[in-house]
Amino acid sequence: NAGVTQTPKFQVLKTGQSMTLQCAQDMNHEYMSWYRQDPGMGLRLIHYSVGAGITDQGEVPNGYNVSRSTTEDFPLRLLSAAPSQTSVYFCASSLWPSAPEAFFGQGTRLTVV
Amino acid sequence: AQSVSQHNHHVILSEAASLELGCNYSYGGTVNLFWYVQYPGQHLQLLLKYFSGDPLVKGIKGFEAEFIKSKFSFNLRKPSVQWSDTAEYFCAVNNAGNMLTFGGGTRLMVKP
Repeated sequence: NAGVTQTPKFQVLKTGQSMTLQCAQDMNHEYMSWYRQDPGMGLRLIHYSVGAGITDQGEVPNGYNVSRSTTEDFPLRLLSAAPSQTSVYFCASSLWPSAPEAFFGQGTRLTVV
Repeated sequence: AQSVSQHNHHVILSEAASLELGCNYSYGGTVNLFWYVQYPGQHLQLLLKYFSGDPLVKGIKGFEAEFIKSKFSFNLRKPSVQWSDTAEYFCAVNNAGNMLTFGGGTRLMVKP
């Protein structure tokens, strides 16, 4: 059982480039979310989805887009990368938003130069 | 909106010392409380959770946490830490239907 799979694990972008961080889960979870982790700030919610076709903004959505065409996949798109988006990104899934446990991917370390 | 505060950003302990990490949250209603751990280079893993019932919750690896509703706190404790407990610890909160809100994290270093 793979759980939550994120790709890539590391990425370096130039300012202005775009890219997509991939996230897939095989647990048939309805709820998926993207967080960014910055030192001293914990994890902050970027976007989330409560099911296929439904997405919403979290605490820090600017500069990011998401879509949820299937239950399994929840990609995060950086439209025009900025140095402020240098961070570690985590995808998470759970049965529902307040489920007893959220499962996290391994993370993507993104550097924007 | 709910928020979570972890007052200790960095903690350094020697092996066998006792550990207590503070966590306070701001939300007046019913909450679910979590502690997650992130070992170096790994993803977040659930350490323990509180939903209801006994306010003293026991988790994996000898960790426990106590929910004190009057103080809006959910402190993490371990009587005797090991070098392998070196990690970053995150307190998180949600209420019904809402997503997790995380604290800023506490980096624990245990010296052998």
